[in-house]
Amino acid sequence: QITLKESGPTLVKPTQTLTLTCSFSGFSLTTTGVGVGWIRQPPGKALEWLALIYWDDDKRYSPSLKNRLTITKDTSKNQVVLTMTNMDPVDTATYYCAHRADYNFFDYWGQGTLVTVSS
Amino acid sequence: EIVLTQSPGTLSLSPGERATLSCRASQRVSSNYLVWYQQKPGQAPRLLIYGASSRATGIPDRFIGSGSGTDFTLTISRLEPEDFAVYYCQQYGSSPWTFGQGTKVEIK
Repeated sequence: QITLKESGPTLVKPTQTLTLTCSFSGFSLTTTGVGVGWIRQPPGKALEWLALIYWDDDKRYSPSLKNRLTITKDTSKNQVVLTMTNMDPVDTATYYCAHRADYNFFDYWGQGTLVTVSS
Repeated sequence: EIVLTQSPGTLSLSPGERATLSCRASQRVSSNYLVWYQQKPGQAPRLLIYGASSRATGIPDRFIGSGSGTDFTLTISRLEPEDFAVYYCQQYGSSPWTFGQGTKVEIK
């Protein structure tokens, strides 16, 4: 079955760069149509899509965060990495990675990881 | 960017009642590419409906998605205790893919 799990720091300081890793199993990022996305959710607030990487290495970013985000994949390790530069307290959120199959919605999600930005 | 507005913000109902949740888009959603997710406290979202009206695998038939263009509805025909949660819509017709702000269905 498809599973995803996020990992990374729980606390980062303002201006630092956040690096999150999504480790997955049950699918391959070399399969046509497959993608992995990142979505975040500030405490008590709504979901926000951040980035998506496709099987063919095409990438999409949220326009509002595009300058701060980089998404990459390592198909040999079944991992997707998201980096976000210049972190700010408003970036405090639970960050989810999720599986995309054929269309740009998410049918399997990781458990999420809470990242707090504070000095 | 398509803005999705969900209403009401909170719906207070009793088990067994019918819930009707609305998701309105600021512009037409291409091919009715709209999904609904359910999220319970401390959990990741769970896909309920895709393509506006198709139930995801394992989703009970009391969850009914409908609508087209700019107006979409999620109906829960008879609320079960496990249905009390927050529901989000998301459009995937055009990038950036956007979410609504959520509707909380709470026990009255």
